[in-house]
Amino acid sequence: NAGVTQTPKFQVLKTGQSMTLQCAQDMNHEYMSWYRQDPGMGLRLIHYSVGAGITDQGEVPNGYNVSRSTTEDFPLRLLSAAPSQTSVYFCATKRTATNEKLFFGSGTQLSVL
Amino acid sequence: SQQGEEDPQALSIQEGENATMNCSYKTSINNLQWYRQNSGRGLVHLILIRSNEREKHSGRLRVTLDTSKKSSSLLITASRAADTASYFCATDARAQGGSEKLVFGKGTKLTVNP
Repeated sequence: NAGVTQTPKFQVLKTGQSMTLQCAQDMNHEYMSWYRQDPGMGLRLIHYSVGAGITDQGEVPNGYNVSRSTTEDFPLRLLSAAPSQTSVYFCATKRTATNEKLFFGSGTQLSVL
Repeated sequence: SQQGEEDPQALSIQEGENATMNCSYKTSINNLQWYRQNSGRGLVHLILIRSNEREKHSGRLRVTLDTSKKSSSLLITASRAADTASYFCATDARAQGGSEKLVFGKGTKLTVNP
């Protein structure tokens, strides 16, 4: 039982490149979300999903796309990376949208040059 | 927009002392949670307090909630070096999407010196 698994752990991109951050969970959680953490800014919600086939925007969705084709996976796509997207990204899940407690992955540290 | 704001931003204490961190928020909430983040790791849930509760305990943790002042405090008693981490409050704000959009504060960085 791995919980919430994020890959890769580290990534360096050049401006304009695209990439996908992976998040997988084996807890059969309906709710999955992506946060970014920047120094002095705390965590900010990017996108979330309350179940397979359903996604919605959080506080800072611009520049990011998500999809949820399965219960287990919730990838985050950067279509054209910008230096402002340099951050640490966390995937977090919970059993249902109305549950309270979030379970976090270990994060992906992304640098955009 | 940031809902919860922790205070202080950083706190340094000696092992054995108590550590108190505060969180203020802006709009009505369903519940408030506290999370811990060790350096380079993901956040770990510590404790949740609902809007109709005033105090809650879990081991060496004590959380209070004052909805009239829109504030919460986290007390860690008899601190240990292993408590060194950043602590975040998170609110489930009805006006900001409720439980689907948990909003985190900026955190308090706690250092416990041996």
